[in-house]
Order: sequence, then C-alpha cells, then structure tokens
Amino acid sequence: AQTVTQSQPEMSVQEAETVTLSCTYDTSESDYYLFWYKQPPSRQMILVIRQEAYKQQNATENRFSVNFQKAAKSFSLKISDSQLGDAAMYFCAYRKTSYDKVIFGPGTSLSVIP
Amino acid sequence: DSGVTQTPKHLITATGQRVTLRCSPRSGDLSVYWYQQSLDQGLQFLIQYYNGEERAKGNILERFSAQQFPDLHSELNLSSLELGDSALYFCASSVGQGAHQPQHFGDGTRLSIL
Repeated sequence: AQTVTQSQPEMSVQEAETVTLSCTYDTSESDYYLFWYKQPPSRQMILVIRQEAYKQQNATENRFSVNFQKAAKSFSLKISDSQLGDAAMYFCAYRKTSYDKVIFGPGTSLSVIP
Repeated sequence: DSGVTQTPKHLITATGQRVTLRCSPRSGDLSVYWYQQSLDQGLQFLIQYYNGEERAKGNILERFSAQQFPDLHSELNLSSLELGDSALYFCASSVGQGAHQPQHFGDGTRLSIL
C-alpha cells in the first residue's frame, strides 16, 4: 500500500531565510502525482505546488520549489525568503490516478521567527 | 475565498445521531472531494464525485454516504455518530476529474459529537 511520510513534525525558520521540508513516499507505480498543501491557522487548505512523476523537471511556484528524487521516492519542499505568512502546517500528498484515493502525510508544522 | 461553500460551519450533536454536511463547488467545477481531518487520524480522503458519478473512494466508513446532485452540489451524510467522528470535514472541488487537477478547498465543517 502507498504511504507518505513526513519525518519532521515541527520546524522553524528565521524570516527571510530558506527552509526545506522533507517528504518520502512508498509506491510501486511509475506514474503518479505529488502535492504540497499548506494549512494556515485559519484551517483552510491551500495547494502550494504539484509535481507529475513523469516530469523530471522540478516544479517551481514563486518562492516555493521542490526537489523531486523519483528513485529515492523523495519530494521535499523548499521555501525561499520565508515570510511570516508562511507559518502553517504543510502536508505532502500522493495520488496515483484520478480513480485512486489521495494519501496525505502527517504534516509538518512550520514556524517563522521574525 | 476559494469559491467553495460548505454549510454549516459548525455542528454539535450527540452520539447515535445523523447529520448532513453540504458543499457547493466553485462555479464550473465538476469534481467534488470530501476529506476528514481529526487529531488521531490526520487528513483522510473520503470520496470523490465527478459530474454526479462516484470516481474514487478512500477510507469512508459504511455509516457515511455521499452523493453529488445534478446541480453539482454534494452532501455527506454521517449516521450513527460516534465520539470518534468528531473532526473537521472539508469539501474541495476541481474543474475535471484528473489526479493532477488543483483542488480548491472550502473552509470546512467542524463536527463535534457530545
């Protein structure tokens, strides 16, 4: 069965610095999708970035980028120039196809220190 | 504002009761997803509908059921409620049914079982 692991329950970063959140997953599939979601204190879930497994190029969205290592089954999120508004719970998620369930990791709580 | 509307925002009820959670997707979105977020289970995918048809199923209990109506709104019915059903229930929507489609989340319904 597919699983998603986030080994860092909590992390902190100084404002304007860079932080990397880790995510590993287990699958025997070759084609799938990976996502990072942000959940701020308001509790709303917001899609940060997504990666398609068949694309070798790492996805980037402004200050957010990923390091996708398919062979290692690793999907880390890098946040550059951290801002106070980045403080949130971050969830890594996996989905094989549109007919399969979405699997979330346990989350990493990120604090930003001014 | 994601454009996804969930009602009610809060619901307090007792064990053994039945409740209905409602979700209106963003205008133009055909897929609706339901998620449960609890302290002990984390974020769990329950079910997905696309244009009225069930598309993917996750860890949804037999006491729970859902449907998507012709006007595309969706309802999640929870019956024989137990204390462990206390959670935040999210609805999300996307334009299509593909696994790569970005999902837009509502603010959630907080269900408390007394």
